[in-house]
Amino acid sequence: RKEVEQDPGPFNVPEGATVAFNCTYSNSASQSFFWYRQDCRKEPKLLMSVYSSGNEDGRFTAQLNRASQYISLLIRDSKLSDSATYLCVVVNAGNNRKLIWGLGTSLAVNP
Amino acid sequence: EPEVTQTPSHQVTQMGQEVILRCVPISNHLYFYWYRQILGQKVEFLVSFYNNEISEKSEIFDDQFSVERPDGSNFTLKIRSTKLEDSAMYFCASSSAPSEQYFGPGTRLTVT
Repeated sequence: RKEVEQDPGPFNVPEGATVAFNCTYSNSASQSFFWYRQDCRKEPKLLMSVYSSGNEDGRFTAQLNRASQYISLLIRDSKLSDSATYLCVVVNAGNNRKLIWGLGTSLAVNP
Repeated sequence: EPEVTQTPSHQVTQMGQEVILRCVPISNHLYFYWYRQILGQKVEFLVSFYNNEISEKSEIFDDQFSVERPDGSNFTLKIRSTKLEDSAMYFCASSSAPSEQYFGPGTRLTVT
């Protein structure tokens, strides 16, 4: 089983749609979780951290289910500018906190 | 807003040549990282650096690779003898604590 798995997509949705991405991770000892966003040929940018109780930032909601070892990202009222690849990132225990990356889920928001 | 910077943005080199990729992390950060991303593939961890030493490295980070923090601001990645398969985007990242990492814009390395 891959350390971090995501459905690569692509997800094609119309503007205004709600879209959800899931991610599963294999290491039950994983400590921290993030969603990054990456535009084509650009660096990954931190979108949001994922907390155990779930958290929201504007149109974005992240949730964590430790028992099932999955993380989700919900985007409401999607905009054209949301088109990007969304990367699920898991941090394992240890001092250096190496990030383990998913392959990413591609989202295209269409007018 | 402080940001990680990297130079050059694009480096073309011949196979077998040495390259040095440079990064200036965010000034109060203590943890530094190098990643690479081959076109169309996922981001891959190379190495993490803390307290003036490597804290972890991946299997990709073999003897051809080295990192250095030569002064208080720069963080460099050296590839001693480049191979064609080293062609990729190389991202530097830094963090203030071992958690959220902030990435530089990357250096695109092309080995011919």
